[in-house]
Amino acid sequence: GQNIDQPTEMTATEGAIVQINCTYQTSGFNGLFWYQQHAGEAPTFLSYNVLDGLEEKGRFSSFLSRSKGYSYLLLKELQMKDSASYLCAVGDSNYQLIWGAGTKLIIKP
Amino acid sequence: GAVVSQHPSWVICKSGTSVKIECRSLDFQATTMFWYRQFPKQSLMLMATSNEGSKATYEQGVEKDKFLINHASLTLSTLTVTSAHPEDSSFYICSARGGTSGEIFSYEQYFGPGTRLTVT
Repeated sequence: GQNIDQPTEMTATEGAIVQINCTYQTSGFNGLFWYQQHAGEAPTFLSYNVLDGLEEKGRFSSFLSRSKGYSYLLLKELQMKDSASYLCAVGDSNYQLIWGAGTKLIIKP
Repeated sequence: GAVVSQHPSWVICKSGTSVKIECRSLDFQATTMFWYRQFPKQSLMLMATSNEGSKATYEQGVEKDKFLINHASLTLSTLTVTSAHPEDSSFYICSARGGTSGEIFSYEQYFGPGTRLTVT
């Protein structure tokens, strides 16, 4: 079956660094996406990885290891506005997105 | 980035009535549109996938006669919740995808802002 796992909830302190992990088992792999979703709003795109390694984009970085079926989203210099759910999604062999349940990130002052 | 709009943003209707939600891609042609439902504190649940000009493909457990999807053009898809009941109250989100499967970013999904449906 297809499965994407990520922690349900994480808490971090403003100004700190947090890493949100995602492991996956899917039928085929055509890239991994990270989305941010604030409460009551639709998801917004953060990053896309299809090759192994780290992709950096400002305060956010995303890492992928295809052999391990593993990715993480790294958020640096956390701000209160980063409090949101972070969704990991994998494109399968049919180019459909398989979604994780999301990680709720709580930022404390 | 690509922009997707949804209308209405929120709607309250009485049980037994039907509600239509529109999803539009404003600056690109959406070959595929997706309809999701999200209950409070839960993740997105894919309801159906629709390709322009063809019938929608519904996920298991989603009643196609209750959730009517029309994707008549490359920029518009509609979801009609027929005979709505309180248990249909949810956050409905559409996303759109352009391009072909051979392009790296072709299946990045651009999300609309969502429609909050409350059935009383």
